[in-house]
Amino acid sequence: EAQVTQNPRYLITVTGKKLTVTCSQNMNHEYMSWYRQDPGLGLRQIYYSMNVEVTDKGDVPEGYKVSRKEKRNFPLILESPSPNQTSLYFCASSNRQGGNTEAFFGQGTRLTVV
Amino acid sequence: EDQVTQSPEALRLQEGESSSLNCSYTVSGLRGLFWYRQDPGKGPEFLFTLYSAGEEKEKERLKATLTKKESFLHITAPKPEDSATYLCAVLSGSSNTGKLIFGQGTTLQVKP
Repeated sequence: EAQVTQNPRYLITVTGKKLTVTCSQNMNHEYMSWYRQDPGLGLRQIYYSMNVEVTDKGDVPEGYKVSRKEKRNFPLILESPSPNQTSLYFCASSNRQGGNTEAFFGQGTRLTVV
Repeated sequence: EDQVTQSPEALRLQEGESSSLNCSYTVSGLRGLFWYRQDPGKGPEFLFTLYSAGEEKEKERLKATLTKKESFLHITAPKPEDSATYLCAVLSGSSNTGKLIFGQGTTLQVKP
C-alpha cells in the first residue's frame, strides 16, 4: 500500500530537548516536504526536498532542520524546541512537484512543547 | 509576495444544494494549482491539479476550474460525506523550486 508514514503521531516534550520526527515513503518519490498546520494560519511549508541531498527552505524554516540522505526518508529535526513550535506537522511526498503531482500526506504528528 | 486566499472560511449547505468554493491567488508565475480535501485529524488528500487558465477537472460531484486569477471548486448536489475542509495551494516560481503556498481552507458542512 502506497503511504507516507510519520512517527510519532503524538509527542509532548519540554523546551530545549532535541527531537526528531521521522517521515518515510514507499513510493520512490523524488519530492518530499514538511508542513505545520496551525488554527487560523493554515498549512505552511517548513522545508522541502527535490531529491536526495537537495533541500530548501519553505516559508517558516526557523528553528527546524532537515536532511535527505536517502530517497525514502526525510526527518524533521528540532534542535531546541520552543513552545511556539507546538503544532500539527505533516510530511508529504509526490513523484515530481509540477509533474505527476498527486501528493500523499502522512497522518500527522501532533507536537506539544511545554 | 505570493498569496493564496480562500473564501468563504466556512460554508453550510443542505444535502443537494450545489455551491462553489473560491481560491484567489497572486503569484509570480503559476506552475500549478492544487485542491486537497482534509478530514478532521487526518492529512490532506489530493483532489486535482490545474496548470493553465481554462482548464477544468472533474471527480464525482466535484469540478475544479482555473482562471488567471482564481480557481473554483464546484460541488454539485453535495452529500453529507462531502463535509470536510477543502484546501487550495499554488506552486510558483522557477522550475528548480518546490515552494508550495496553501490557502487557509474552506470548511464545508453538508447537512442531511
